[in-house]
Amino acid sequence: ELKVEQNPLFLSMQEGKNYTIYCNYSTTSDRLYWYRQDPGKSLESLFVLLSNGAVKQEGRLMASLDTKARLSTLHITAAVHDLSATYFCAVDMSRTASKLTFGTGTRLQVTL
Amino acid sequence: DAGVIQSPRHEVTEMGQEVTLRCKPISGHDYLFWYRQTMMRGLELLIYFNNNVPIDDSGMPEDRFSAKMPNASFSTLKIQPSEPRDSAVYFCASSLALRGTQYFGPGTRLLVL
Repeated sequence: ELKVEQNPLFLSMQEGKNYTIYCNYSTTSDRLYWYRQDPGKSLESLFVLLSNGAVKQEGRLMASLDTKARLSTLHITAAVHDLSATYFCAVDMSRTASKLTFGTGTRLQVTL
Repeated sequence: DAGVIQSPRHEVTEMGQEVTLRCKPISGHDYLFWYRQTMMRGLELLIYFNNNVPIDDSGMPEDRFSAKMPNASFSTLKIQPSEPRDSAVYFCASSLALRGTQYFGPGTRLLVL
């Protein structure tokens, strides 16, 4: 059974600081997604990472994928309050189906 | 495009009642997914369709749950009879292609008393 673990589960950080969220998964996969969810809202797609060594950046967020280590990271640079949300990674382990297994989520709170 | 549309947005019902959740995928998307989100279990895939045909329903928790997709622009998830442990947020999502990015609807917040 595929397991997807994120850490930390909760992160409180000050504006202007940098931090990294980690996503570990237990079986081979060539595709990983990052989503953002605001409280009481839906999930918004941030990144899709398709190969080993893939790196994507959007604003203050940068995601990377290491398929050999079964690890993805979401790096936050110079955090701002608007980034406060819960971030999920989701792993697609099948090449012939379309099934995402979501991580536990990391709740990020950016304080002034 | 309006995105994925779900209704109702909130539903409160009593145990034993039938609940029907509705979803309209993004036009042109061939894949439709139903997820459930709870604090205890996180986000779980319940079932997904391709071209209106159910492909994988292994995540459907019990026979009380059923899902249909009568046409390309409409799907339902039905719970009959509902139980308090079914209380959750139910999301519908759609994607253009196999293994494509999934776009989520706003969700239906279900409370079973």
